[in-house]
Amino acid sequence: GENVEQHPSTLSVQEGDSAVIKCTYSDSASNYFPWYKQELGKGPQLIIDIRSNVGEKKDQRIAVTLNKTAKHFSLHITETQPEDSAVYFCAAKGGTSYGKLTFGQGTILTVHP
Amino acid sequence: DADVTQTPRNRITKTGKRIMLECSQTKGHDRMYWYRQDPGLGLRLIYYSFDVKDINKGEISDGYSVSRQAQAKFSLSLESAIPNQTALYFCATSDPQEDTDTQYFGPGTRLTVL
Repeated sequence: GENVEQHPSTLSVQEGDSAVIKCTYSDSASNYFPWYKQELGKGPQLIIDIRSNVGEKKDQRIAVTLNKTAKHFSLHITETQPEDSAVYFCAAKGGTSYGKLTFGQGTILTVHP
Repeated sequence: DADVTQTPRNRITKTGKRIMLECSQTKGHDRMYWYRQDPGLGLRLIYYSFDVKDINKGEISDGYSVSRQAQAKFSLSLESAIPNQTALYFCATSDPQEDTDTQYFGPGTRLTVL
């Protein structure tokens, strides 16, 4: 089955800096890669996603890049703000997973004012 | 009102007790999922159901069972709770008719087994 590795496990930045979270996946047939944000006391919420036929996608201050050859994808947050502090999860779907998502281990992002 | 609700939100129980966690959704989605979250391990799939008559084991189903009572309801049971089942549990739903079959999560249930 699919295996997703996520790094770093914790990330601390100053307000206004950029933050990058990286994930690798094992199943070359995976074709959909969402990113979820989990705020304290809440369930994960989709913030951005990318399909395997696209190399990069951007939505305001967040962007995701995908390298299919290397089987890794990354989340980039620019001009970070304190409200970006949360746990972020990457995930992968497709191939042999039959519609199921496989999640990474999560990254705790802290943005210091 | 929230689209995906979970009850209870918090539960403390003792080893050996039977526990049921409930999930309801108003999104009209056919697919429903149960995950558990542990620090450093991310979200791991316990069971999933692609329609009312379909139940499938996920990667960590041992010690758990589920019931899909209706399209809108999916319950998770711990037949005999043990301390290492202490975790945050999430229900999610998705619609395969949506372009990306996005999963929508409930607010979670924090379960503590003493």
